[in-house]
Amino acid sequence: EAGVAQSPRYKIIEKRQSVAFWCNPISGHATLYWYQQILGQGPKLLIQFQNNGVVDDSQLPKDRFSAERLKGVDSTLKIQPAKLEDSAVYLCASSLFDGSYEQYFGPGTRLTVT
Amino acid sequence: AQKVTQAQTEISVVEKEDVTLDCVYETRDTTYYLFWYKQPPSGELVFLIRRNSFDEQNEISGRYSWNFQKSTSSFNFTITASQVVDSAVYFCALSGGRTGNQFYFGTGTSLTVIP
Repeated sequence: EAGVAQSPRYKIIEKRQSVAFWCNPISGHATLYWYQQILGQGPKLLIQFQNNGVVDDSQLPKDRFSAERLKGVDSTLKIQPAKLEDSAVYLCASSLFDGSYEQYFGPGTRLTVT
Repeated sequence: AQKVTQAQTEISVVEKEDVTLDCVYETRDTTYYLFWYKQPPSGELVFLIRRNSFDEQNEISGRYSWNFQKSTSSFNFTITASQVVDSAVYFCALSGGRTGNQFYFGTGTSLTVIP
């Protein structure tokens, strides 16, 4: 069974530029998550989708971050414009049904904003 | 609101020693779920265990064991006879409600096993 796929793996941009990350969850998984993990910290949930509806986006900085889940499968996370403090690893995860189930994580995208 | 506290930032043990990683949580939900994840130096988070709030039975899986105590809001993780491959950052996490919303990770404990 294929795992969670993410691309790109690394991205370097200048502040005020925009960037997008892509995630393909495990086939059949209903719930998809995006996390931000700053070096030395635990992952922070940005947004949780169940199928193509948003379950929780309370910690998503909506003035600059946006996310969508197309047809309840793939998802993209966008930052526009980026700030220096957005430098982090962006993790995508999926779970079979809802947040009560274990999550499976992708390899992450390491974003550096200069 | 959910909260998870992992007070131990870094732990070092010598190989074959036992080590316990502490996790204390806060939630107002009566139904909730607790998890442990491992993040090795490669970076990819690996699921270790899931527990729901109604199941306080301790669990053992090989050298790993977990102690869930609702009375103290703790979900501790013990590695017996530690090995170098156990070196990683370990995260405790919590989700609340019947469908597990507001997923919250602790700050992690970095474990180094010295050969």
